[in-house]
Order: sequence, then structure tokens, then C-alpha cells
Amino acid sequence: DAGVTQSPTHLIKTRGQQVTLRCSPKSGHDTVSWYQQALGQGPQFIFQYYEEEERQRGNFPDRFSGHQFPNYSSELNVNALLLGDSALYLCASSLAGLVSYNEQFFGPGTRLTVL
Amino acid sequence: AQSVTQLGSHVSVSEGALVLLRCNYSSSVPPYLFWYVQYPNQGLQLLLKYTSAATLVKGINGFEAEFKKSETSFHLTKPSAHMSDAAEYFCAVSDKGYSTLTFGKGTMLLVSP
Repeated sequence: DAGVTQSPTHLIKTRGQQVTLRCSPKSGHDTVSWYQQALGQGPQFIFQYYEEEERQRGNFPDRFSGHQFPNYSSELNVNALLLGDSALYLCASSLAGLVSYNEQFFGPGTRLTVL
Repeated sequence: AQSVTQLGSHVSVSEGALVLLRCNYSSSVPPYLFWYVQYPNQGLQLLLKYTSAATLVKGINGFEAEFKKSETSFHLTKPSAHMSDAAEYFCAVSDKGYSTLTFGKGTMLLVSP
């Protein structure tokens, strides 16, 4: 059973560029959440997608956007990159029907470096 | 708003010693609480979770945590540390809604021989 997968593993961009990160959820999961983990910090919630719509959003600017596809995979897009966007971006998947446990399964992350 | 405070950014123990990692939470509703472990250059792995059943929760790798409502705490313990336990540990809180997690800043556990 494949767990949560993310691509790419590492990415280097320059300020002002745009980036797209991808996530495939664990088999059978229908909900995808994205988190940003800056160096030395805990993960911070960016947004969550369910049924191809953004269901909840954290305190992140509109430069951060996402998408969920019919097969439940998801993309995170960041426009006009800033140095402060350098972080590990984690994708987590869960099953909406098991909200009572709120258990999320995390992928290995994408390390984004902005120069 | 929910929040999590982890006391101590680094905790050092000797192999075989007791591990105690502290977590205090703030929540306006009965919370769900979690401990995750992160090894270098990896994602997060769930150690254990509290979901309003038993207050003493047992997890993987010999870890356990006790939910104390009066102290708003959910400290993580392990009786005997192993070298392989060296990693960063995150406490997280969630409400019963959309399963989004609010994390603490993490505690790095260092285990010496």
C-alpha cells in the first residue's frame, strides 16, 4: 500500500518565480492538507482540499493556492516567491469519514529553497 | 484559537534513561491531541493520539502519553531511551472539525550512549 507521495523531493527557485508542488494521497483517502515547516519550527497549516474545493485555510497570503483533482491528488502553487518561502512543504492525507479521529498521514515533504 | 506549547527545544538523555517531553495545549473545545516524530529529512510519523477515550494512551516504539485536563497537558514518556529514539518530536492539537492540526515548535531528543 503506497503511502503519501510528494514530488519533487527538492527544488531551488529564485525570488519572484512561481513553483508547483505535487502530492498523491494514501490509497483510499479523499482529503489533502498542506503544511509549511520552516527550519526549526513546527509545521503550519496552509489549506485543506476536499471534493476538489478548498475547505479550510490557514493564515497564508493569496500567493499560496492549490488544487485537488478528481483522483484526489493535489497541487500547491506559490507565486512571487520570497526568501521566506524557503521551507519543507508537507502534504498530509486523511479520510473525511474518519474525521472523528482526525488522523492524517504525512508524506516525506518537498524541500523548497528560494535564492 | 488552539495552541500548543512544548517546553524545551532540546532534551538530552542517556541511553536507558527515562524520556519526558512536555506539551501543554490551549483549546476552547475538547481537543484531540497527537504526538508525531520526525527523523532527519523525513516527514512526520504518528506516535500516538488521544481522542477522548482512555486518558493514558500507548503508542508505537514504547512511548505513551497521559491526557490531564486539569493541567491542560499531554506529556510524552518512555521508560528507557534507545539510541534510535533520537529525533524531533511534535505535539499537535486538533478540534473535531476538519482534522487540521496545530503543532508546537518541536523538541529535539538527543540520546547519548
